[in-house]
Amino acid sequence: DIQMTQSPSSLSASVGDRVTITCRASQSIINYVNWYQQRPGKAPKLLIYSASSLQSGVPSRFSGSGSGTDFTLTISTLQPEDFATYSCQQSYSTPLTFGGGTKVEI
Amino acid sequence: QVQLQESGPGLVKPSQTLSLTCTVSGGSISRSGTYYWSWIRQPAGKGLEWIGRIYTSGNIDYNPSLKSRVTISLDMSKNQFSLKVSSVTAADTAVYYCARAHFTSDRFDPWGQGTLVTVSS
Repeated sequence: DIQMTQSPSSLSASVGDRVTITCRASQSIINYVNWYQQRPGKAPKLLIYSASSLQSGVPSRFSGSGSGTDFTLTISTLQPEDFATYSCQQSYSTPLTFGGGTKVEI
Repeated sequence: QVQLQESGPGLVKPSQTLSLTCTVSGGSISRSGTYYWSWIRQPAGKGLEWIGRIYTSGNIDYNPSLKSRVTISLDMSKNQFSLKVSSVTAADTAVYYCARAHFTSDRFDPWGQGTLVTVSS
């Protein structure tokens, strides 16, 4: 199985900050990474697919980059509604696997 | 706009079978074209775990870690797909989500709201 390791596991930030979350795959997965946002008690919401494609309806302050084994999710200007947990997911091979999540706290 | 909704018992006894159904509205499973249907679970405070997927062609893939205990099926006449997990233990306690995924990127969107299943006597 491909392991997805996220860092940090949690971070504290303020409204207006630029936030970067990293996801590292245990082997090269080219660009087969998707990113999700999950608010407490809610289902995950797709933000980014194929490493850098913005899902329709998602604000442009969210962006993704990377290839091979290292990927990043960036929130350019943190908004109050962005405080949540973010998870990466590899879609290179089955079983599909997720990172452990990064909790963005105030 | 496609929406998904999980349903099923919230409490299952150890060694019994967990059964959940996902009802799809706003679109037809049988005409889902470039999509397939999946189950994912999340134990409290932990990360997401992919359980498996089913295509409208009938092809099915399971996570090897659960394969011996999991069955996913499709009922196109009811626009539903289902999950069964046999011989459950406390380790199967989790929020279970159903989701639609795109063929080419395996991106999950949308998701159901999730349903908590607790395994306890």
